[in-house]
Amino acid sequence: AQRVTQPEKLLSVFKGAPVELKCNYSYSGSPELFWYVQYSRQRLQLLLRHISRESIKGFTADLNKGETSFHLKKPFAQEEDSAMYYCALRPPEGTGTASKLTFGTGTRLQVTL
Amino acid sequence: NAGVTQTPKFQVLKTGQSMTLQCAQDMNHEYMSWYRQDPGMGLRLIHYSVGAGITDQGEVPNGYNVSRSTTEDFPLRLLSAAPSQTSVYFCASSPGQDSSYEQYFGPGTRLTVT
Repeated sequence: AQRVTQPEKLLSVFKGAPVELKCNYSYSGSPELFWYVQYSRQRLQLLLRHISRESIKGFTADLNKGETSFHLKKPFAQEEDSAMYYCALRPPEGTGTASKLTFGTGTRLQVTL
Repeated sequence: NAGVTQTPKFQVLKTGQSMTLQCAQDMNHEYMSWYRQDPGMGLRLIHYSVGAGITDQGEVPNGYNVSRSTTEDFPLRLLSAAPSQTSVYFCASSPGQDSSYEQYFGPGTRLTVT
């Protein structure tokens, strides 16, 4: 069974401090990993996906298959980064279950002055 | 494009009542899905559809029915509401199932069952 674990419900950091939101997954293969973000009073939206190897709003995430992790990082937190962050997993194509996106329980990032 | 729209935004039901949560998208997306969001549980997949006329169950389908008669619409039906169905419901769509496709979410429907 596929599972996504986000161990922290709340992460509070000061503005300018580094941020690392943890995500560990359980899947016996090579899944696709994503980070979604939900800002206050806005809808859930995609932040980044591991296959793109992109940096969005200063955030990056590296897939570590050995540790089955996909932690989200940013070197210097900004106030506007305060939001709810969800890690998500989708099986690869050809498995018959690629439709099933599994979310973690989310981590609320709070950036304070 | 309006994107993904959901109605109503808020709803209060009594136990045993039925209702339909509406979801529509104007992006000609093949794939649509319903999630519920509960505190400490994240988002859980209820039902999904890979195209008109095709639906399948997600992680928590019990108590919910869906149908997909058109590409645009994917309503979620609660036949007999229970307090355990109090939640925020999100509809999402994407061009297909491919992992490279982003899922676009609606604004959500907050449902309370008393």
